Amino acid sequence: DIQMTQSPSSLSASVGDRVTITCRASQSTNTYLNWYQQKPGKAPKLLIYAASSLHSGVPSRFSGSGSGTDFTLTINGLEPEDFGTYYCQQSFGNPDTFGQGTKLEIK
Amino acid sequence: QVQLQESGPGLVKPSQTLSLTCTVSGDSMSSRDTYWSWIRQPAGKGLEWIGRMYTSGSISYNPSLESRFTMSIDTSRNQFSLKLSSVTAADTAVYYCARGSSKYIWGRDYYFLDVWGKGTTVTVSS
Repeated sequence: DIQMTQSPSSLSASVGDRVTITCRASQSTNTYLNWYQQKPGKAPKLLIYAASSLHSGVPSRFSGSGSGTDFTLTINGLEPEDFGTYYCQQSFGNPDTFGQGTKLEIK
Repeated sequence: QVQLQESGPGLVKPSQTLSLTCTVSGDSMSSRDTYWSWIRQPAGKGLEWIGRMYTSGSISYNPSLESRFTMSIDTSRNQFSLKLSSVTAADTAVYYCARGSSKYIWGRDYYFLDVWGKGTTVTVSS
């Protein structure tokens, strides 16, 4: 299985901050990398697919980049509603695998 | 607007078979660019992909999991299902169904889970 490792595991940031979450794959996933946001007690929501494509309806402050083994999710101008846990997922190898999650708290 | 809703027993005894159903509303299940998946999440832990299936009948399971899972699809009812045999406490989790979609970008098909059910909590306990 392709192992996905996210960092940091948790972070705290202020409204208006720029936040960066990284995801590293144990082998190349090309750009088959998706990002999801999950709030407590809710299902995950798709934010970014194909490493850098913004899903419909997702605010433009979210962006993704990277290819191969190293990927980044960036939130430019953190909003209060951006709290939650963020997961990366690779869809290159079988099985699909998720990172362990990054918990984002708003200061 | 596509919606997915999981249903099934909240409590299952060890060694029994768990059966879950996902009902799809607002869209046909037979779209060429979609597939149907199950994912689970133990309390306080991360997401685990169980498998995906297409209405063509093609099914892919997570090979890292024991072969206790069986998925099926019934397009006439707009439903797909998951069965898990010989359950243990380790199978206690929130189970999500999700729609997968694909987009053709840069000469390739990319896959992602764009619509999720709300999840159903399954507890394995005697």
